[in-house]
Amino acid sequence: DTAVSQTPKYLVTQMGNDKSIKCEQNLGHDTMYWYKQDSKKFLKIMFSYNNKELIINETVPNRFSPKSPDKAHLNLHINSLELGDSAVYFCASSPYVGLAGGNEQFFGPGTRLTVL
Amino acid sequence: RKEVEQDPGPFNVPEGATVAFNCTYSNSASQSFFWYRQDCRKEPKLLMSVYSSGNEDGRFTAQLNRASQYISLLIRDSKLSDSATYLCVVNTGFQKLVFGTGTRLLVSP
Repeated sequence: DTAVSQTPKYLVTQMGNDKSIKCEQNLGHDTMYWYKQDSKKFLKIMFSYNNKELIINETVPNRFSPKSPDKAHLNLHINSLELGDSAVYFCASSPYVGLAGGNEQFFGPGTRLTVL
Repeated sequence: RKEVEQDPGPFNVPEGATVAFNCTYSNSASQSFFWYRQDCRKEPKLLMSVYSSGNEDGRFTAQLNRASQYISLLIRDSKLSDSATYLCVVNTGFQKLVFGTGTRLLVSP
């Protein structure tokens, strides 16, 4: 009965490979997010989708492409992985309260990506 | 200048102590404010929202000063289980949360 789940939990891969991380939420939320937490523990938003539509797209390399097949899923595909992509990637979800609002976000357990 | 600034710590305190964390934010148009807690190798979880009038939840008290763009968290009667990283979080609009780098708290017996 996990609220926000991510797979895989750990991902070790070589530079140049392409990989995907999957996220699912069963909270009935309309909005989902991807965050990156780097080695200095700084947590920064990458993307946000509301009901399958992109609403936040931070300055992320276009090697990163989010895909939302439905409002319960938001996957992250990364092309041509680089050493600097090594980090923990967190998925999150929240109810939609309008573009000016904001409320609690529920985070998944994270995916620890290591690029060798 | 970072959008949300916090002292990274660590704050080392004995059980039963009172400890306070501060945070400043740069965007005066920020809409709402939160403290999240993150345990080692775990995901962040909401600790409490922060309101201008100040709010309390058990041993935790949060304050917001919009004029000074300053947020605080006070923890009374610290427990061992309070050891974690406390993240100051600001919603800058469009449901975008900006996180501080966190303040690490270590409570010792």
